[in-house]
Amino acid sequence: GQQLNQSPQSMFIQEGEDVSMNCTSSSIFNTWLWYKQEPGEGPVLLIALYKAGELTSNGRLTAQFGITRKDSFLNISASIPSDVGIYFCAGQKIQGAQKLVFGQGTRLTINP
Amino acid sequence: ETGVTQSPTHLIKTRGQQVTLRCSSQSGHNTVSWYQQALGQGPQFIFQYYREEENGRGNFPPRFSGLQFPNYSSELNVNALELDDSALYLCASSLVRTSGNNEQFFGPGTRLTVL
Repeated sequence: GQQLNQSPQSMFIQEGEDVSMNCTSSSIFNTWLWYKQEPGEGPVLLIALYKAGELTSNGRLTAQFGITRKDSFLNISASIPSDVGIYFCAGQKIQGAQKLVFGQGTRLTINP
Repeated sequence: ETGVTQSPTHLIKTRGQQVTLRCSSQSGHNTVSWYQQALGQGPQFIFQYYREEENGRGNFPPRFSGLQFPNYSSELNVNALELDDSALYLCASSLVRTSGNNEQFFGPGTRLTVL
């Protein structure tokens, strides 16, 4: 099935470092969303972006909706141990079922 | 506010059997979407139910079917199970509006293992 191109696939960082990950697509999306998934749980919505060029923050997380509507990035500042998990981007179109199309995920590991 | 719940948590079946997974949507939500997440992959859209009818389907065969009930809860049924059906099955609920996007909120998932 269709998936977005998400990178990097994994990151190993020190506590306190900043993190950046991005997502690209060959298709235009009306909405970009970022989710975090921890072992044994479903994805949890972190940030939703609705307009091209939009920059939105949620605490230490900042995400942007690309101008072309084909990409998005997520930054995490001053990482802490509870940031560990798998981060997924998802694109959504406004027509029809508005299904989510997901990236492959970025696995974040933090060394204390 | 009650979040999305799914049952059972884990399930083991053998090839050829049938399985039913259940989902209760978040209070105030009227739409349920089902996703399949294989190990190490992002979730893949199976189908969505709105007003008790299928409202869009992904690239899954007809042996994947579903139902939505008047209280907006939903079931996912899979017939003639295959080994490749082993995955985490996620349910997401949302509130469909006449305009704008609908944010989807996920349950914890059901881990299905087919032997």
